[in-house]
Amino acid sequence: EAQVTQNPRYLITVTGKKLTVTCSQNMNHEYMSWYRQDPGLGLRQIYYSMNVEVTDKGDVPEGYKVSRKEKRNFPLILESPSPNQTSLYFCASSHGTGGFDEQFFGPGTRLTVL
Amino acid sequence: GIQVEQSPPDLILQEGANSTLRCNFSDSVNNLQWFHQNPWGQLINLFYIPSGTKQNGRLSATTVATERYSLLYISSSQTTDSGVYFCAVERGGTYKYIFGTGTRLKVLA
Repeated sequence: EAQVTQNPRYLITVTGKKLTVTCSQNMNHEYMSWYRQDPGLGLRQIYYSMNVEVTDKGDVPEGYKVSRKEKRNFPLILESPSPNQTSLYFCASSHGTGGFDEQFFGPGTRLTVL
Repeated sequence: GIQVEQSPPDLILQEGANSTLRCNFSDSVNNLQWFHQNPWGQLINLFYIPSGTKQNGRLSATTVATERYSLLYISSSQTTDSGVYFCAVERGGTYKYIFGTGTRLKVLA
């Protein structure tokens, strides 16, 4: 089944404890992206990647890191999480060859930082 | 940057009613998608529709790119249609997707 998977689905952590949220897609998509969703602010793009080793900032990259060492994986790293990073996070992928097209979203990761 | 506005912000319908949701964007776009976020938080693709008209069962969508808007039609609504509907656009060459503010739909049995 073609899908985008994220792990963990739920995470409660404490301020300053480094964490990684994994994202994987099995559709051989070139483009991958991370979003966060907050009440009243909607969905905002954190980082995106157009291909292996190519990443760029979205609208809200502060406090996050990403890497794209393999085509199928695009982990989101919070080096020192803070309470304002409590949010619902989505990973997405798109075929993206030579452009941009339909995005497919993972199930979401609900993160709480105490 | 590009602004994406959706209307109405909230909508309550009786089961079986029809509705039209609107997405306005402030600049030309290369890509546009409609999503349904169900009560469990999942984002479900409805349409990829940078231009033209598409239909899928009770749902259809139309994008008039030259006039910078898209419409999502829901006919014979069901309680399972409840949730939030988002449109999202990508301005050509930016690889950045901007989401609209969403329309929260509640369908009553």
